[in-house]
Amino acid sequence: GDSVTQMEGPVTLSEEAFLTINCTYTATGYPSLFWYVQYPGEGLQLLLKATKADDKGSNKGFEATYRKETTSFHLEKGSVQVSDSAVYFCALNGRDDKIIFGKGTRLHILP
Amino acid sequence: GAGVSQSPRYKVAKRGQDVALRCDPISGHVSLFWYQQALGQGPEFLTYFQNEAQLDKSGLPSDRFFAERPEGSVSTLKIQRTQQEDSAVYLCASSLDIATMGPQHFGDGTRLSIL
Repeated sequence: GDSVTQMEGPVTLSEEAFLTINCTYTATGYPSLFWYVQYPGEGLQLLLKATKADDKGSNKGFEATYRKETTSFHLEKGSVQVSDSAVYFCALNGRDDKIIFGKGTRLHILP
Repeated sequence: GAGVSQSPRYKVAKRGQDVALRCDPISGHVSLFWYQQALGQGPEFLTYFQNEAQLDKSGLPSDRFFAERPEGSVSTLKIQRTQQEDSAVYLCASSLDIATMGPQHFGDGTRLSIL
């Protein structure tokens, strides 16, 4: 069945560091891919999405490119801030519209 | 309101009690989903409604779990004879229509603790 694998956390970085959170997926067909973010004490929020191969999703300085050849959707940000501290979930939306989530990566940014 | 609303925000129940969790989706959203998020894990699909029809309940872990959406708007997830392993955050999400493949909008969840 469909699945998402993302790097385990926690990931701890200093402010202004470069961030990469790896995500790979297994799916039949051509799913849409998402990154969701969960800030402390808050619900899940859609961060960015890509609906087809080579699409790049971007928001709040974060980017991820839908790579069909490597079945990946890695999240990147050039310069992280303390306010980026949260749990990040990679996810896919398959044919039946269920969202399949990865286990999440907790990110800590130190001032 | 503008977003998906869930209530209660927190629920504590004794093992064996029944609980009911409520979800108010975004107005006009056809699709409604329930997910269960265990501590330290990603959300896992429970069930899906299109309007009032429950089209997929393959993720419900046992027959103690029951969901309904009688008028195609508000939905209730009911858990009977709760057990400790039911402790989790229950998330509701809605989207405009499954055909649009649009993103799902999530509520803040109900954190259920079974003592």
